[in-house]
Amino acid sequence: DIQMTQSPSVLSASVGDRVTLNCKASQNINKYLNWYQQKLGEAPKLLIYNTNNLQTGIPSRFSGSGSGTDYTLTISSLQPEDVATYFCFQHNSWPLTFGSGTKLEIK
Amino acid sequence: EVQLVETGGGLVQPGKSLKLTCATSGFTFSNAWMHWVRQSPEKQLEWVAQIKAKSNNYATYYAESVKGRFTISRDDSKSSVYLQMNSLKEEDTAIYYCTRLGYWGQGVMVTVSS
Repeated sequence: DIQMTQSPSVLSASVGDRVTLNCKASQNINKYLNWYQQKLGEAPKLLIYNTNNLQTGIPSRFSGSGSGTDYTLTISSLQPEDVATYFCFQHNSWPLTFGSGTKLEIK
Repeated sequence: EVQLVETGGGLVQPGKSLKLTCATSGFTFSNAWMHWVRQSPEKQLEWVAQIKAKSNNYATYYAESVKGRFTISRDDSKSSVYLQMNSLKEEDTAIYYCTRLGYWGQGVMVTVSS
């Protein structure tokens, strides 16, 4: 199975900061990497699919990059409504797997 | 508008069975690859199962933790996907989401406890 390791597990930043969340796969996942945002009490929401494609309706301050085993989600200017837990998800090979999440807080 | 609505959750004893239903609308269901994903009380997301479309011979895939106990199926005439869960264990307690990865249902709670 492909293990997905997210770092940091908790991130505290100020409004307006540029924020970077990391996700590392235990083997090459060929850019089949999605990023999800989950707010308290809600279902996950797709932000980025296949590494760097912004889902319709998602603000352009969110972007993704990476290749091979290393992937990044960047928020260019953190907003209060971005408080959430962010999960990466590989759909390159079965069983599909999620990272354990990064909880993003506002300082 | 895309909608996915899960039903069928509840409290069940260990060893018993439960069947979840996900009714969908707003997209061409027959072409969609559908998944079940669950979230434990500790908030960890776990992919559970996938079923592909008719053009892919309805191929199915499962997490090791549920293989042999859970069965995913679909009825394209009803735009619905199902998860039959047998021999339930306490560790199956979770919110179960139906998803096509880009769109998710609101989830349904399954509690396995004596």
